[in-house]
Amino acid sequence: AQRVTQPEKLLSVFKGAPVELKCNYSYSGSPELFWYVQYSRQRLQLLLRHISRESIKGFTADLNKGETSFHLKKPFAQEEDSAMYYCALRGGSTLGRLYFGRGTQLTVWP
Amino acid sequence: DTGVSQDPRHKITKRGQNVTFRCDPISEHNRLYWYRQTLGQGPEFLTYFQNEAQLEKSRLLSDRFSAERPKGSFSTLEIQRTEQGDSAMYLCASSGGAGANVLTFGAGSRLTVL
Repeated sequence: AQRVTQPEKLLSVFKGAPVELKCNYSYSGSPELFWYVQYSRQRLQLLLRHISRESIKGFTADLNKGETSFHLKKPFAQEEDSAMYYCALRGGSTLGRLYFGRGTQLTVWP
Repeated sequence: DTGVSQDPRHKITKRGQNVTFRCDPISEHNRLYWYRQTLGQGPEFLTYFQNEAQLEKSRLLSDRFSAERPKGSFSTLEIQRTEQGDSAMYLCASSGGAGANVLTFGAGSRLTVL
């Protein structure tokens, strides 16, 4: 069964510090992984997906199939990065259906 | 096109009443999804349409829940005989075309059952 685990419910860092939001998944096939973000009073939106291999707003995430992880990283956090971050997985046979983790609330202090 | 629209944004109802939510997806998207989100949890999948066909339903979708997408455009999610446990944010998302696996979410409809 597909499952996404985000072990940290809350994460706080100071501006300029590195940040890593952890995501582990459980899926027997080849998954597609996403990070979605929800800023205060805004709707959930895509931040990045592993197949794009992009850096969005300074964030990167690498799919590690050996460790079944897809951690989100940024070397220098900014106050505007404060938001709720959700890791999501799509399995090959689920027609676009996403399984979400419970989310990590990131707070970046000035 | 202003993205995915949901209506109403907030609904307060008494237990036992029926409620209906509407979702208008991005016009060129053929896929439409309903999710439910409760406090402290990530979105949980409820159901999925491709055009007008409902292709998948979660076990979370009890027989009190019904979703439709007539003509493959807007969709409605109806909850009959609401219970307090139905209180949640109901999210609609759509996808299609080259970005078929990237969901665009609406702002959600928050349901409070008293």
